[in-house]
Amino acid sequence: DTAVSQTPKYLVTQMGNDKSIKCEQNLGHDTMYWYKQDSKKFLKIMFSYNNKELIINETVPNRFSPKSPDKAHLNLHINSLELGDSAVYFCASSRTGTGNTGELFFGEGSRLTVL
Amino acid sequence: KNQVEQSPQSLIILEGKNCTLQCNYTVSPFSNLRWYKQDTGRGPVSLTIMTFSENTKSNGRYTATLDADTKQSSLHITASQLSDSASYICVVSAPGGYNKLIFGAGTRLAVHP
Repeated sequence: DTAVSQTPKYLVTQMGNDKSIKCEQNLGHDTMYWYKQDSKKFLKIMFSYNNKELIINETVPNRFSPKSPDKAHLNLHINSLELGDSAVYFCASSRTGTGNTGELFFGEGSRLTVL
Repeated sequence: KNQVEQSPQSLIILEGKNCTLQCNYTVSPFSNLRWYKQDTGRGPVSLTIMTFSENTKSNGRYTATLDADTKQSSLHITASQLSDSASYICVVSAPGGYNKLIFGAGTRLAVHP
């Protein structure tokens, strides 16, 4: 009954490859996010979707392409992986609208290592 | 510029001792402030949320305080346990739709036996 689940948990790949990370939430939330946590443990917002619509798109290389097939799923596809893409990627969800307190519910993270 | 700064960057304490983590912010206007706990290899989990009008809030051995005038918050951990070893992240929310969140860099706490 995991609330926010990401797969895979670990991903090791070569430079130049293309990879995807999947995220699903069963909380009934309508907003989902991708965050990147670097080696210094700082969390940075990458993208946010509300009801399948892109609402936040920070300065992220266009090699990163999020896709939200429905409001319970948000996937992240990365083309032409570079060494600097190595990080832990966290998916999160939250409720918006009336009663929203801004609490984010995070997945367990997907550790990407680019060799 | 909206910023959230946390101190100390890291902290080591002995089991059973108390500690206090600090969070200073320049976010204005301000909606709420939340402390998250992130265990190693896990995602962050919310500990407390404080709105503008709240001064203190407790969650078990965790007590958060907020001084909206000086834009400072603290997280006090009482009678620390080994399981308190984690990163503690302060996140300030600005008003507006879709969670305008500003994250601190976190404080890494290590509790030793």
